Amino acid sequence: AQTVTQSQPEMSVQEAETVTLSCTYDTSESDYYLFWYKQPPSRQMILVIRQEAYKQQNATENRFSVNFQKAAKSFSLKISDSQLGDAAMYFCALCTSGTYKYIFGTGTRLKVLA
Amino acid sequence: DTAVSQTPKYLVTQMGNDKSIKCEQNLGHDTMYWYKQDSKKFLKIMFSYNNKELIINETVPNRFSPKSPDKAHLNLHINSLELGDSAVYFCASSQTPTSSETQYFGPGTRLLVL
Repeated sequence: AQTVTQSQPEMSVQEAETVTLSCTYDTSESDYYLFWYKQPPSRQMILVIRQEAYKQQNATENRFSVNFQKAAKSFSLKISDSQLGDAAMYFCALCTSGTYKYIFGTGTRLKVLA
Repeated sequence: DTAVSQTPKYLVTQMGNDKSIKCEQNLGHDTMYWYKQDSKKFLKIMFSYNNKELIINETVPNRFSPKSPDKAHLNLHINSLELGDSAVYFCASSQTPTSSETQYFGPGTRLLVL
């Protein structure tokens, strides 16, 4: 069975600072994809970044980057130069080849302090 | 233009009633999904359709019946509503039902059963 664990229910970061959100996962598959989604108060689920398991290079999207440690099954999200608009719930998700269904973690609520 | 839309956004109803939630995507995707987000923000897949065919059916009470009249629409009908059905229901779509595809989410429908 696949599982995704986000061990930080809530995190806070000062505006303009950097914060890292943790995610660990478990799967016996070798081919899978990992995603970070953001859910602001509007409830809309927005894709932040995605990582292919076969790629060693960490994905980057502007201020968002991941630290993908395949052996450790860890997929953390780093947000640099945090902005007030980054305040949201962040969900880590795993999708393994052949299942095409997302397994979500329980989410981390990020607060950005002005 | 809204990529994945859901109606209604809010639904308040009495126990025992029957209700439907509609979802439409204008992305030209083949695959659509229904997810349920409970009060603890946990997201879990319920159903998935590919080209109007059911491909994922998680352990969901048969009071829930999805219907896909065409590739662009996936509706969710719920019979005999129960208190435990109160949640936010998200529709999503992807180009194809493969793990590499990003899923795009609708804005969610908050259902409250009294």
